[in-house]
Amino acid sequence: AQTVTQSQPEMSVQEAETVTLSCTYDTSESDYYLFWYKQPPSRQMILVIRQEAYKQQNATENRFSVNFQKAAKSFSLKISDSQLGDAAMYFCAYRSPGGGADGLTFGKGTHLIIQP
Amino acid sequence: DAGVIQSPRHEVTEMGQEVTLRCKPISGHDYLFWYRQTMMRGLELLIYFNNNVPIDDSGMPEDRFSAKMPNASFSTLKIQPSEPRDSAVYFCASSLGVWNTEAFFGQGTRLTVV
Repeated sequence: AQTVTQSQPEMSVQEAETVTLSCTYDTSESDYYLFWYKQPPSRQMILVIRQEAYKQQNATENRFSVNFQKAAKSFSLKISDSQLGDAAMYFCAYRSPGGGADGLTFGKGTHLIIQP
Repeated sequence: DAGVIQSPRHEVTEMGQEVTLRCKPISGHDYLFWYRQTMMRGLELLIYFNNNVPIDDSGMPEDRFSAKMPNASFSTLKIQPSEPRDSAVYFCASSLGVWNTEAFFGQGTRLTVV
């Protein structure tokens, strides 16, 4: 079974600075997808960014980018120019390539605090 | 599309009562997932459906939990009888058939069993 580990229960960053959230995972599969979801106080789960395992290029979405290290099974999220609206819980998630456990396996989350 | 719609948003019930949570997935999505979120265990997959058929219910904690999807636009998660340890936020999510697309989540139902 796949496992996803987020080793930072809480992170704090000054507004406008850059912060990196860590995620590692364990799998024996070669093809899979990785995601970062954001959960603000409203509880809504919002997709931030996704990465296909077969792509070497790191995904980017505006101020959000990932550092995907397949051999190390590491998938960190970098948030540049942090804004107050970025404050939320961030979850790293893994999805198998179908034919079995099609659901997402989540890490325990990192609570991101933005200091004004 | 209005997104994944869950009802109710909040539910408070007494131990032993039956609880039914409802979900309307995004039209055209053929995968539907039920997750439970607690402080202790995080987000756990309970069950998922593909084309209204339950595929994997290995995450359902006990026989007290059951889920149905009578048609493509509606699913229920039922707990009977409910217990205080069932208190959690229950999320429904849906996605298109291919595995590499994102899952869209509803706003969740916060269940409190007293």
